[in-house]
Amino acid sequence: GAVVSQHPSRVICKSGTSVKIECRSLDFQATTMFWYRQFPKQSLMLMATSNEGSKATYEQGVEKDKFLINHASLTLSTLTVTSAHPEDSSFYICSARRSGSGGGQYFGPGTRLTVT
Amino acid sequence: GESVGLHLPTLSVQEGDNSIINCAYSNSASDYFIWYKQESGKGPQFIIDIRSNMDKRQGQRVTVLLNKTVKHLSLQIAATQPGDSAVYFCAENSNPLGGGYQKVTFGTGTKLQVIP
Repeated sequence: GAVVSQHPSRVICKSGTSVKIECRSLDFQATTMFWYRQFPKQSLMLMATSNEGSKATYEQGVEKDKFLINHASLTLSTLTVTSAHPEDSSFYICSARRSGSGGGQYFGPGTRLTVT
Repeated sequence: GESVGLHLPTLSVQEGDNSIINCAYSNSASDYFIWYKQESGKGPQFIIDIRSNMDKRQGQRVTVLLNKTVKHLSLQIAATQPGDSAVYFCAENSNPLGGGYQKVTFGTGTKLQVIP
Protein backbone atom coordinates (compact mmCIF):
# COMPACT_ATOMS: atom_id res chain seq x y z
CA GLY A 1 0.00 0.00 0.00
CA ALA A 2 0.85 3.67 -0.14
CA VAL A 3 1.28 5.28 3.26
CA VAL A 4 1.32 8.99 3.99
CA SER A 5 2.18 10.28 7.42
CA GLN A 6 1.75 13.68 9.02
CA HIS A 7 3.48 15.18 11.98
CA PRO A 8 2.36 16.36 14.42
CA SER A 9 -1.08 14.83 14.68
CA ARG A 10 -2.20 17.54 17.08
CA VAL A 11 -0.72 20.90 17.93
CA ILE A 12 -1.81 23.76 20.14
CA CYS A 13 -0.08 27.07 19.70
CA LYS A 14 -0.49 30.63 20.86
CA SER A 15 -1.78 33.34 18.60
CA GLY A 16 1.02 35.00 16.67
CA THR A 17 3.35 32.02 16.58
CA SER A 18 4.16 29.84 13.57
CA VAL A 19 3.53 26.14 13.22
CA LYS A 20 5.09 23.68 10.80
CA ILE A 21 3.31 20.54 9.67
CA GLU A 22 5.17 17.78 7.86
CA CYS A 23 3.75 15.41 5.28
CA ARG A 24 5.73 12.35 4.24
CA SER A 25 5.13 9.60 1.73
CA LEU A 26 6.65 6.60 3.45
CA ASP A 27 6.89 3.94 0.78
CA PHE A 28 6.64 5.79 -2.50
CA GLN A 29 7.87 8.90 -4.22
CA ALA A 30 5.44 11.76 -4.68
CA THR A 31 6.14 14.43 -7.26
CA THR A 32 3.00 16.21 -6.21
CA MET A 33 1.53 16.72 -2.77
CA PHE A 34 -1.63 18.56 -1.83
CA TRP A 35 -2.64 20.47 1.26
CA TYR A 36 -6.26 20.64 2.37
CA ARG A 37 -8.06 22.34 5.21
CA GLN A 38 -11.22 20.98 6.74
CA PHE A 39 -13.49 22.81 9.17
CA PRO A 40 -15.91 20.82 11.37
CA LYS A 41 -18.73 19.17 9.43
CA GLN A 42 -17.44 20.54 6.17
CA SER A 43 -15.68 19.15 3.17
CA LEU A 44 -11.99 19.28 2.38
CA MET A 45 -10.94 22.51 0.74
CA LEU A 46 -7.82 22.43 -1.38
CA MET A 47 -5.34 25.08 -0.25
CA ALA A 48 -2.40 24.46 -2.53
CA THR A 49 -0.63 22.00 -4.76
CA SER A 50 2.98 21.37 -3.93
CA ASN A 51 5.40 20.22 -6.62
CA GLU A 52 8.84 18.93 -5.76
CA GLY A 53 11.49 21.47 -6.63
CA SER A 54 9.16 24.27 -7.64
CA LYS A 55 6.83 26.82 -6.13
CA ALA A 56 3.47 25.72 -4.84
CA THR A 57 0.28 26.58 -6.68
CA TYR A 58 -2.19 28.21 -4.32
CA GLU A 59 -5.95 28.16 -4.66
CA GLN A 60 -7.83 31.41 -4.91
CA GLY A 61 -8.24 33.07 -1.53
CA VAL A 62 -5.35 31.25 0.15
CA GLU A 63 -2.58 33.59 1.26
CA LYS A 64 0.76 32.21 0.13
CA ASP A 65 2.67 34.37 2.60
CA LYS A 66 0.65 33.01 5.47
CA PHE A 67 0.68 29.36 4.44
CA LEU A 68 4.23 28.60 3.38
CA ILE A 69 4.72 25.36 1.50
CA ASN A 70 8.03 23.69 0.86
CA HIS A 71 8.33 20.47 -1.13
CA ALA A 72 11.95 19.73 -0.40
CA SER A 73 12.12 16.17 -1.67
CA LEU A 74 10.05 13.50 -3.37
CA THR A 75 8.88 12.25 0.00
CA LEU A 76 8.45 15.40 2.09
CA SER A 77 6.32 18.51 1.94
CA THR A 78 5.87 21.00 4.77
CA LEU A 79 3.16 23.53 5.50
CA THR A 80 4.01 26.40 7.82
CA VAL A 81 1.18 28.46 9.21
CA THR A 82 2.78 31.80 9.97
CA SER A 83 1.51 34.21 12.61
CA ALA A 84 -1.33 31.87 13.43
CA HIS A 85 -4.66 33.22 14.64
CA PRO A 86 -7.63 31.45 16.21
CA GLU A 87 -9.45 31.42 12.88
CA ASP A 88 -6.63 29.26 11.49
CA SER A 89 -7.68 26.49 13.87
CA SER A 90 -8.65 23.62 11.64
CA PHE A 91 -7.88 20.09 10.50
CA TYR A 92 -5.06 20.18 7.96
CA ILE A 93 -4.73 17.17 5.68
CA CYS A 94 -2.08 16.42 3.11
CA SER A 95 -2.18 13.97 0.28
CA ALA A 96 0.41 12.63 -2.09
CA ARG A 97 0.17 11.49 -5.66
CA ARG A 98 2.52 8.67 -6.56
CA SER A 99 5.01 9.69 -9.24
CA GLY A 100 4.03 8.33 -12.60
CA SER A 101 0.49 7.38 -11.65
CA GLY A 102 -2.48 8.67 -13.59
CA GLY A 103 -4.89 9.37 -10.78
CA GLY A 104 -5.69 8.80 -7.13
CA GLN A 105 -4.18 10.39 -4.12
CA TYR A 106 -3.18 8.91 -0.81
CA PHE A 107 -4.14 10.91 2.24
CA GLY A 108 -2.36 11.50 5.48
CA PRO A 109 -4.14 11.15 8.84
CA GLY A 110 -4.45 14.90 9.31
CA THR A 111 -3.16 17.44 11.80
CA ARG A 112 -5.48 19.15 14.25
CA LEU A 113 -4.30 22.73 14.79
CA THR A 114 -5.71 24.74 17.66
CA VAL A 115 -4.64 28.36 18.02
CA THR A 116 -5.38 29.91 21.41
CA GLY B 1 -22.32 38.13 14.56
CA GLU B 2 -23.67 34.69 14.95
CA SER B 3 -22.11 32.06 12.71
CA VAL B 4 -24.14 29.29 11.19
CA GLY B 5 -22.40 25.97 10.76
CA LEU B 6 -22.97 23.71 7.84
CA HIS B 7 -24.53 20.36 8.51
CA LEU B 8 -23.72 17.33 6.45
CA PRO B 9 -26.69 15.48 5.00
CA THR B 10 -27.18 12.24 6.87
CA LEU B 11 -28.27 8.86 5.58
CA SER B 12 -29.47 6.38 8.19
CA VAL B 13 -29.51 2.74 7.15
CA GLN B 14 -30.36 -0.46 8.96
CA GLU B 15 -27.50 -2.90 9.29
CA GLY B 16 -27.62 -5.41 6.46
CA ASP B 17 -29.49 -3.13 4.08
CA ASN B 18 -27.95 -1.55 1.02
CA SER B 19 -26.87 2.09 1.08
CA ILE B 20 -26.88 4.51 -1.81
CA ILE B 21 -25.00 7.77 -1.49
CA ASN B 22 -25.39 10.33 -4.22
CA CYS B 23 -23.20 13.13 -5.46
CA ALA B 24 -23.58 15.81 -8.09
CA TYR B 25 -20.39 17.13 -9.62
CA SER B 26 -19.90 20.42 -11.36
CA ASN B 27 -17.15 20.18 -13.95
CA SER B 28 -18.07 18.42 -17.18
CA ALA B 29 -14.36 18.27 -18.01
CA SER B 30 -13.56 16.10 -15.00
CA ASP B 31 -12.13 12.80 -16.17
CA TYR B 32 -11.77 10.79 -13.04
CA PHE B 33 -13.89 10.37 -9.94
CA ILE B 34 -13.15 8.95 -6.55
CA TRP B 35 -15.15 8.04 -3.46
CA TYR B 36 -13.53 8.50 -0.08
CA LYS B 37 -14.57 7.43 3.40
CA GLN B 38 -13.61 9.61 6.33
CA GLU B 39 -13.95 8.53 9.92
CA SER B 40 -13.98 11.10 12.68
CA GLY B 41 -10.60 12.71 13.23
CA LYS B 42 -8.92 10.82 10.41
CA GLY B 43 -7.86 11.49 6.86
CA PRO B 44 -9.94 10.32 3.89
CA GLN B 45 -9.60 6.69 2.87
CA PHE B 46 -9.87 5.63 -0.77
CA ILE B 47 -12.84 3.40 -1.52
CA ILE B 48 -13.29 3.14 -5.24
CA ASP B 49 -12.68 5.17 -8.37
CA ILE B 50 -14.03 5.40 -11.89
CA ARG B 51 -12.82 7.00 -15.08
CA SER B 52 -15.07 9.10 -17.25
CA ASN B 53 -15.08 6.52 -20.04
CA MET B 54 -16.93 4.09 -17.78
CA ASP B 55 -20.39 4.19 -16.25
CA LYS B 56 -20.07 1.48 -13.63
CA ARG B 57 -17.36 -0.08 -11.58
CA GLN B 58 -17.61 -2.70 -8.88
CA GLY B 59 -15.43 -3.43 -5.92
CA GLN B 60 -15.87 -5.54 -2.87
CA ARG B 61 -19.34 -4.68 -1.54
CA VAL B 62 -19.19 -1.30 -3.28
CA THR B 63 -20.32 -0.13 -6.69
CA VAL B 64 -19.85 3.28 -8.25
CA LEU B 65 -22.18 4.53 -10.97
CA LEU B 66 -21.39 7.49 -13.17
CA ASN B 67 -23.94 9.39 -15.23
CA LYS B 68 -22.08 12.02 -17.22
CA THR B 69 -25.23 13.31 -18.87
CA VAL B 70 -26.55 14.70 -15.61
CA LYS B 71 -23.17 14.89 -13.87
CA HIS B 72 -24.17 12.47 -11.17
CA LEU B 73 -22.18 9.94 -9.23
CA SER B 74 -23.42 7.36 -6.76
CA LEU B 75 -21.86 4.92 -4.33
CA GLN B 76 -23.71 1.77 -3.47
CA ILE B 77 -22.70 -0.22 -0.42
CA ALA B 78 -24.11 -3.71 -0.17
CA ALA B 79 -25.03 -5.28 3.17
CA THR B 80 -24.10 -2.19 5.15
CA GLN B 81 -22.19 -2.86 8.35
CA PRO B 82 -21.64 -0.73 11.48
CA GLY B 83 -18.04 -0.24 10.40
CA ASP B 84 -19.31 1.57 7.33
CA SER B 85 -20.50 4.46 9.50
CA ALA B 86 -18.50 7.49 8.38
CA VAL B 87 -18.67 10.54 6.16
CA TYR B 88 -18.41 9.76 2.46
CA PHE B 89 -17.07 12.24 -0.05
CA CYS B 90 -17.09 12.12 -3.79
CA ALA B 91 -14.20 13.84 -5.51
CA GLU B 92 -13.61 14.83 -9.11
CA ASN B 93 -10.28 15.12 -10.85
CA SER B 94 -9.76 17.78 -13.48
CA ASN B 95 -6.95 19.45 -15.31
CA PRO B 96 -7.90 23.15 -15.20
CA LEU B 97 -4.53 24.60 -16.12
CA GLY B 98 -3.49 22.00 -18.65
CA GLY B 99 -0.14 20.28 -18.70
CA GLY B 100 0.53 18.02 -15.76
CA TYR B 101 -1.52 20.03 -13.26
CA GLN B 102 -4.25 17.84 -11.84
CA LYS B 103 -6.74 19.07 -9.26
CA VAL B 104 -9.03 17.03 -7.07
CA THR B 105 -12.12 18.80 -5.79
CA PHE B 106 -14.24 17.32 -3.03
CA GLY B 107 -18.02 17.32 -2.79
CA THR B 108 -19.87 18.32 0.35
CA GLY B 109 -20.04 14.85 1.90
CA THR B 110 -22.75 12.59 3.29
CA LYS B 111 -22.76 11.13 6.75
CA LEU B 112 -23.76 7.47 6.81
CA GLN B 113 -25.20 6.17 10.07
CA VAL B 114 -25.68 2.44 10.33
CA ILE B 115 -28.31 1.37 12.80
CA PRO B 116 -27.46 -1.98 14.43
